[in-house]
Amino acid sequence: TQLLEQSPQFLSIQEGENLTVYCNSSSVFSSLQWYRQEPGEGPVLLVTVVTGGEVKKLKRLTFQFGDARKDSSLHITAAQPGDTGLYLCAGAVSNYQLIWGAGTKLIIKP
Amino acid sequence: DTAVSQTPKYLVTQMGNDKSIKCEQNLGHDTMYWYKQDSKKFLKIMFSYNNKELIINETVPNRFSPKSPDKAHLNLHINSLELGDSAVYFCASSQESGLGSPLHFGNGTRLTVT
Repeated sequence: TQLLEQSPQFLSIQEGENLTVYCNSSSVFSSLQWYRQEPGEGPVLLVTVVTGGEVKKLKRLTFQFGDARKDSSLHITAAQPGDTGLYLCAGAVSNYQLIWGAGTKLIIKP
Repeated sequence: DTAVSQTPKYLVTQMGNDKSIKCEQNLGHDTMYWYKQDSKKFLKIMFSYNNKELIINETVPNRFSPKSPDKAHLNLHINSLELGDSAVYFCASSQESGLGSPLHFGNGTRLTVT
């Protein structure tokens, strides 16, 4: 069974703090996607990383794909209440399926 | 101009009933999916269709039957509903079926079986 473990499962911090969310697996992925889901809505794609070691930035969000393409991290700088949500990572495997992490629920307190 | 729309948003029904959830996408994508999100927020794929053909059929009770009348629509029919079917069901679409093509999700249908 292929697994994608996300940590932490839950994180509540004050506005202005930095945080990192991790996504780890023993499987190698051809690409990895990060999504954010807000209550009552579907997940929305934030970024796709494809190359080992790749770093992508989306304003205050920095995404990194591990060199071996087995893990990824999402770092948020100076978190804001609007960053609150459920962050999901999903890794693409060779049989055209996505393996999903269980998500990190992030709460940013004003 | 919603990209992926599913109806209804909420569905409350009794055990044993049959219900359907409809999904439509106007993105011109070739592939559509049904996902189930449980109370712990874990997303699990149920079905995937590419150009109206079933390409992924995970271990799902045969009470669940997807139907794709055309590549813009993928409906989900559920027979003999059980308490454990309560969850949020998401429809999604992607331009391609392979190698993790990014997904566009609908806003979900919260199914409650009493």
